[in-house]
Amino acid sequence: DTGVSQDPRHKITKRGQNVTFRCDPISEHNRLYWYRQTLGQGPEFLTYFQNEAQLEKSRLLSDRFSAERPKGSFSTLEIQRTEQGDSAMYLCASSPRTSGRSGELFFGEGSRLTVL
Amino acid sequence: AQTVTQSQPEMSVQEAETVTLSCTYDTSESNYYLFWYKQPPSRQMILVIRQEAYKQQNATENRFSVNFQKAAKSFSLKISDSQLGDTAMYFCAFMYRGAQKLVFGQGTRLTINP
Repeated sequence: DTGVSQDPRHKITKRGQNVTFRCDPISEHNRLYWYRQTLGQGPEFLTYFQNEAQLEKSRLLSDRFSAERPKGSFSTLEIQRTEQGDSAMYLCASSPRTSGRSGELFFGEGSRLTVL
Repeated sequence: AQTVTQSQPEMSVQEAETVTLSCTYDTSESNYYLFWYKQPPSRQMILVIRQEAYKQQNATENRFSVNFQKAAKSFSLKISDSQLGDTAMYFCAFMYRGAQKLVFGQGTRLTINP
């Protein structure tokens, strides 16, 4: 399968713990995105990478959140000192730089975080 | 900031019927894109259809078509000959031309009944 892969699919943690999610985009895609989706809502933009450069970051991404894409391939999203309000589905998506179809994102199945 | 509103939290129709999902958005810009994304139960979100705001012609993709009313800032999705596999959450989304950030609506849960 050459789609966007996310790991783990489910994570249950206690408040105050750190968690890290990994995303492997489609191999030829140089753009990578993170979104957060809470129950009953649409996805909210968190951050965007082009290759290894983090080009945009939402104000939703507090200082407890950090995302990296060190070699322009896979990406990690770390949440430190988790809070119950961080419980959500974290979606990763990728897209090619030039496709002629701006805004066509290829999403992974998401990583669901539950903070107890 | 731009907002996207989907006023129908849930809809339900019989298989083979036609259904229309509503979306309105708010922006002061003129160059943007609009999208409908589909999120089936426990599966990844996929793009259904895409509209460029500078194009007056409504986009179509097989059984899916849109009614884009730029002045009214309305972007509805019509699904013809609905199928059981169309059961999903449908999200309307907006993106400024040249940007990379999608702004999503709250979603409409569509159920196609046999």
